Amino acid sequence: NAGVTQTPKFQVLKTGQSMTLQCAQDMNHEYMSWYRQDPGMGLRLIHYSVGAGITDQGEVPNGYNVSRSTTEDFPLRLLSAAPSQTSVYFCATGRATGELFFGEGSRLTVL
Amino acid sequence: AQKITQTQPGMFVQEKEAVTLDCTYDTSDPSYGLFWYKQPSSGEMIFLIYQGSYDQQNATEGRYSLNFQKARKSANLVISASQLGDSAMYFCAMREGPSTDKLIFGTGTRLQVFP
Repeated sequence: NAGVTQTPKFQVLKTGQSMTLQCAQDMNHEYMSWYRQDPGMGLRLIHYSVGAGITDQGEVPNGYNVSRSTTEDFPLRLLSAAPSQTSVYFCATGRATGELFFGEGSRLTVL
Repeated sequence: AQKITQTQPGMFVQEKEAVTLDCTYDTSDPSYGLFWYKQPSSGEMIFLIYQGSYDQQNATEGRYSLNFQKARKSANLVISASQLGDSAMYFCAMREGPSTDKLIFGTGTRLQVFP
């Protein structure tokens, strides 16, 4: 039972490069979200989705794109990476009103 | 706008003692949920406990209990009989509204348990 799978776990990018963080879940949850975690800032919501074909912005959406074509997958795209996007990224899923289930995190460094 | 405040950047507790981690929140929605998550040094986020705004009793899960004081808008986590493995970051989070998993997190408290 994989739960929530994030790939890659580590990535180093140069400023201006693009990449996609993948998130896949096998829990059949409608809700999926992306958070970033920075020292002293807790977790901040980037984008979320309440179902296939539906996405919305969170607290810090600038510089990130998402799409949700299936229930299982919710990729996060960085179109032109900036050093300010150096962070640890978490994907999470859940059912409405219930707890969130987190992936193991993806550590991104932008040089 | 909803807001979660954790005012203790770090806490120390001796093994087998109880410790309280503070969390205050602000929301105008009468329906909300409060969560605590643990993040050990390995980095994963572990769900600990949940309290709904309409729940009459304080939530408990094993050694964890949530001291919910609605009028004071506080949702403190109490860990009884601390263990060395409890050393971690602890995050308080809030869901605003009855049917969403959109959580807002506090900045966290680092708990260190010493022998």
